[in-house]
Amino acid sequence: SQQGEEDPQALSIQEGENATMNCSYKTSINNLQWYRQNSGRGLVHLILIRSNEREKHSGRLRVTLDTSKKSSSLLITASRAADTASYFCATDPSGSRLTFGEGTQLTVNP
Amino acid sequence: EAGVAQSPRYKIIEKRQSVAFWCNPISGHATLYWYQQILGQGPKLLIQFQNNGVVDDSQLPKDRFSAERLKGVDSTLKIQPAKLEDSAVYLCASSLDGYQETQYFGPGTRLLVL
Repeated sequence: SQQGEEDPQALSIQEGENATMNCSYKTSINNLQWYRQNSGRGLVHLILIRSNEREKHSGRLRVTLDTSKKSSSLLITASRAADTASYFCATDPSGSRLTFGEGTQLTVNP
Repeated sequence: EAGVAQSPRYKIIEKRQSVAFWCNPISGHATLYWYQQILGQGPKLLIQFQNNGVVDDSQLPKDRFSAERLKGVDSTLKIQPAKLEDSAVYLCASSLDGYQETQYFGPGTRLLVL
């Protein structure tokens, strides 16, 4: 089974609204990363948060990490149509490789 | 800075045929990864190289898949013989040094096995 599981599987919002996606994982990690994938393209790294960090910001992105609950959230503020994509969290449960979840498909309607 | 290059972008083959994919990572990146992404799923690591040595190939179906990284730069991934279930996007990624660093992905090769 996947280490990271994103929730919800799909999310549809209007432009200007905020989008929140969650990721839960099972075993302890060193870091957690979020990636974006536009349709038919490779993945783009968004943000990396280490296990000793609780919150990180990058532009309109805000990531939180709660190691006690084994969960992370990605918040995109003031969403744009260009934010339409699949968002994946990736963790390193075995200490040797990244394991990706199945993603959240975000649709931002103009 | 040039990104990760992959070729071909698309490939259609019949089952039991062989196919090869090529990847050129970002210059100076020691770690190279090959992922398989089946439609609707997240990427799954097939093999990870550190320079020209294999770090992790535990999820590589070694009876049909093989990969090499010549001189610690370019890499090729081969499937022989292909099965229907190999239809997927094959993504190559590289990072400066190790899996805990940011990984930079190429555009992928979309494989369809008929």
